[in-house]
Amino acid sequence: GEQVEQLPSSLIVQEGASVLINCSYTDSASVYFPWYKQEPGKRLQFIIDIRSNMERKQTQRLTLLFDKKTKHLSLHITATQPGDSAIYFCSVMTNSAGNKLTFGIGTRVLVRP
Amino acid sequence: EAGVTQSPRYAVLQEGQAVSFWCDPISGHDTLYWYQQPRDQGPQLLVYFRDEAVIDNSQLPSDRFSAVRPKGTNSTLKIQSAKQGDTATYLCASSLGRGQNSDYTFGSGTRLLVI
Repeated sequence: GEQVEQLPSSLIVQEGASVLINCSYTDSASVYFPWYKQEPGKRLQFIIDIRSNMERKQTQRLTLLFDKKTKHLSLHITATQPGDSAIYFCSVMTNSAGNKLTFGIGTRVLVRP
Repeated sequence: EAGVTQSPRYAVLQEGQAVSFWCDPISGHDTLYWYQQPRDQGPQLLVYFRDEAVIDNSQLPSDRFSAVRPKGTNSTLKIQSAKQGDTATYLCASSLGRGQNSDYTFGSGTRLLVI
């Protein structure tokens, strides 16, 4: 089945700096890639997504890049704020697996004021 | 709009005890999912339903876990005889149709500790 690798597992940045999170997957039939943010004690919150027919998507301070050939995604967060401190999850949906999302292990981001 | 509602928030059991988790999805969402999230890991799908039908339960440990969604709305996940390895957060999610959009919504989860 699909496997998702996410790196780094954790990082610490100063407020205002940028963050880059990488994600790779194995199944070339994967078609949909949502990302979620999980703050301590709170629910998984959808933050951005991309489909396999796109290369880039941007919303406010988030930019998501997708390379279908290398099966790689990267999430770039700019101008970080303490409120960005959370665990970020990459996830992958493959048509052959129906509506199942396969998640990476998560990246724990700490933004220091 | 109300989100996905789960109860209880927490459960503490001794090994061998049974527990049930309840989920109320977003109104109108036809697809409901149960995920297990062990500590410091990403969620892993256990089972999902479209309306009242089980679509995929291949990752549900069938000897001790069961899940139902009898009227295609609310759902219950039950663990018959809990083991310490079941310690995790159990997440319910719901979506409409293929779920390839931002309406794939998660609940706050039930944190289970088995001692």
